[in-house]
Amino acid sequence: GNSVTQMEGPVTLSEEAFLTINCTYTATGYPSLFWYVQYPGEGLQLLLKATKADDKGSNKGFEATYRKETTSFHLEKGSVQVSDSAVYFCALSRSGGSYIPTFGRGTSLIVHP
Amino acid sequence: DTGVSQDPRHKITKRGQNVTFRCDPISEHNRLYWYRQTLGQGPEFLTYFQNEAQLEKSRLLSDRFSAERPKGSFSTLEIQRTEQGDSAMYLCASSLVPYNEQFFGPGTRLTVL
Repeated sequence: GNSVTQMEGPVTLSEEAFLTINCTYTATGYPSLFWYVQYPGEGLQLLLKATKADDKGSNKGFEATYRKETTSFHLEKGSVQVSDSAVYFCALSRSGGSYIPTFGRGTSLIVHP
Repeated sequence: DTGVSQDPRHKITKRGQNVTFRCDPISEHNRLYWYRQTLGQGPEFLTYFQNEAQLEKSRLLSDRFSAERPKGSFSTLEIQRTEQGDSAMYLCASSLVPYNEQFFGPGTRLTVL
């Protein structure tokens, strides 16, 4: 079945540091890939997505590239801010019509001033 | 606010009691999803509706759980005879076919004593 594996957190960085959160997946077919962010006390928000191999999703300085050969979708940001502190979830959705995502366990990011 | 709303935000109940949660999706969205999220885990799919039809239920959804979306707008999730293992955050999300982006509500945190 489909599964998503994320690096364990927490990831602790200083402001302006480079961020990478690793995500690998197992899936049948050609899934779409997503990164969601969850700020404290809030629901999940879609951060970025990619729908086919070699696509790059980007938003708010975050980027991730759909790598079919390595089954990966690593999240990167060149310079993190304190306001980026949150939990980040990698997810994939099935091909077909239901779009039900399978989520990873989440990676907590803590950014210090 | 035109986002997804959930009520209540927090619920504390005693084991064996019944509880009901409500989700109001974004008004023009025709799909509505329920998820359960436990501490340190990503959301797990429970069920989803397209308009008023319940199209899929997860094996996680035991017979103590029932969900409805009677008029294709808001939805309710009822848990009968609650158990301590039901303690979790219950998330609702909505989307508009054919787009696969889901918009999440803030969740209802259930604590079963």
